[in-house]
Amino acid sequence: EVRLLESGGGLVQPGGSLRLSCAASGFTLNTYAMTWVRQPPGKGLEWVAAISGRGGSPDYADSVKGRFTISRDNSKSTLYLQMNNLRADDTAVYYCSKTGMYDYTYFDPWGPGTLVIVSS
Amino acid sequence: DIQMTQSPSSLSASVGDRVTITCQASQGIRNYLNWYQQQPGQPPKLLIYDASNVKRGVPSRFSGSGSGTDFTFIISSLQPEDFATYYCQQYDGLPLTFGGGTKVEI
Repeated sequence: EVRLLESGGGLVQPGGSLRLSCAASGFTLNTYAMTWVRQPPGKGLEWVAAISGRGGSPDYADSVKGRFTISRDNSKSTLYLQMNNLRADDTAVYYCSKTGMYDYTYFDPWGPGTLVIVSS
Repeated sequence: DIQMTQSPSSLSASVGDRVTITCQASQGIRNYLNWYQQQPGQPPKLLIYDASNVKRGVPSRFSGSGSGTDFTFIISSLQPEDFATYYCQQYDGLPLTFGGGTKVEI
């Protein structure tokens, strides 16, 4: 069974940094594209970043480009999201999800999410 | 960016009702459209992929159709466990984008 479990969320001050992790099991991480999606409290879903299973350049939403970095450690079956220069509007539940084998397609499954709060 | 306009944003329905949600893309996206269900406090779950393919294990009362710019999601007979928020998502272009969501309430 494919399982994803995020960790690393918490309270951080504006301008601070945080690294989220997503532990994957039940499949070989480097054979699938992976993505991060976030959801501000009470609001809708926003795609954040994705990384191809083929090792190409990652892709980012404009709102996080230059501040967030998605990466993966295949030996640890773990996906990461390094978040720098955090802002109040980055406050959200962050979900990791598995997507297509070669390209970004549907997101399935999703982890339970980890909450990031950016506040002073 | 491809904008996804989902409607309605909310609806009230009763058990047994037929529910229809639409999603319109700002440009043609072929059939690169997925539908998700999100229960309160839970992550989204994939229901429909590639516009009309029902994920294995998802009840047959859920269906999807459409291509190009206009898509439809239908629950043929609403069940108590279907009260949730539904999202469409396109993957024809970057950034990947979601519709604003439809909250289905009693």
